Amino acid sequence: EVQLLESGGGLVQPGGSLRLSCAASGFTFSSYDMSWVRQAPGKGLEWVSTISSGGGTYYADSVKGRFTISRDNSKNTLYLQMNSLRAEDTAVFYCATGERSGNFDYWGRGTLVTVSS
Amino acid sequence: DIQMTQSPSTLSASVGDRVTITCRASQSISRWLAWYQQKPGKAPKLLIYKASNLGSGVPSRFSGSGSGTEFTLTISSLQPDDFATYYCQQYDSYPWTFGQGTKVEIK
Repeated sequence: EVQLLESGGGLVQPGGSLRLSCAASGFTFSSYDMSWVRQAPGKGLEWVSTISSGGGTYYADSVKGRFTISRDNSKNTLYLQMNSLRAEDTAVFYCATGERSGNFDYWGRGTLVTVSS
Repeated sequence: DIQMTQSPSTLSASVGDRVTITCRASQSISRWLAWYQQKPGKAPKLLIYKASNLGSGVPSRFSGSGSGTEFTLTISSLQPDDFATYYCQQYDSYPWTFGQGTKVEIK
């Protein structure tokens, strides 16, 4: 069974940093593209970033230059380093992956990031 | 960036109704479109991929169609478990983008 477990969320001040992790199990992690998708309170879904199985990285314009996605295949773990956080980054961050590039068959439960002073 | 626009934003329907949600892309995305269902406090669930392919374990009352810039999600006979918010998502090109969502409410 595919399992994705996010951690690292919390309350951070504007301008601060946070590192999210996503521990994966139940599939061959190194063979899958991995993504972060977020959802601000009461709002819709927003794709944030993807790292391909080959290591290529892609970002939404709203986070480019501030967020860095990475993966450690030896630990089956996905990361999102978030710097220069803003109030508008407040959201539940989901780790997600799928059987086909661009599709999200599997999701974690999400971790809440709150940016506030 | 490719903009995805769903209509309607909210839909009131009864159990047994046939429901259709439309998603329009700001430029052609071929058939690179997915549909998701999300219930409050839960992660989204993949319903449809590549415009018309049913996701794993998804009931056959859900169907998708379309290509290019116009797509539809149809629920043939609405069930109590289907009251939720539905999102389309394009994965033709980065940045991948979602529609704003359509909330299906009980009439």
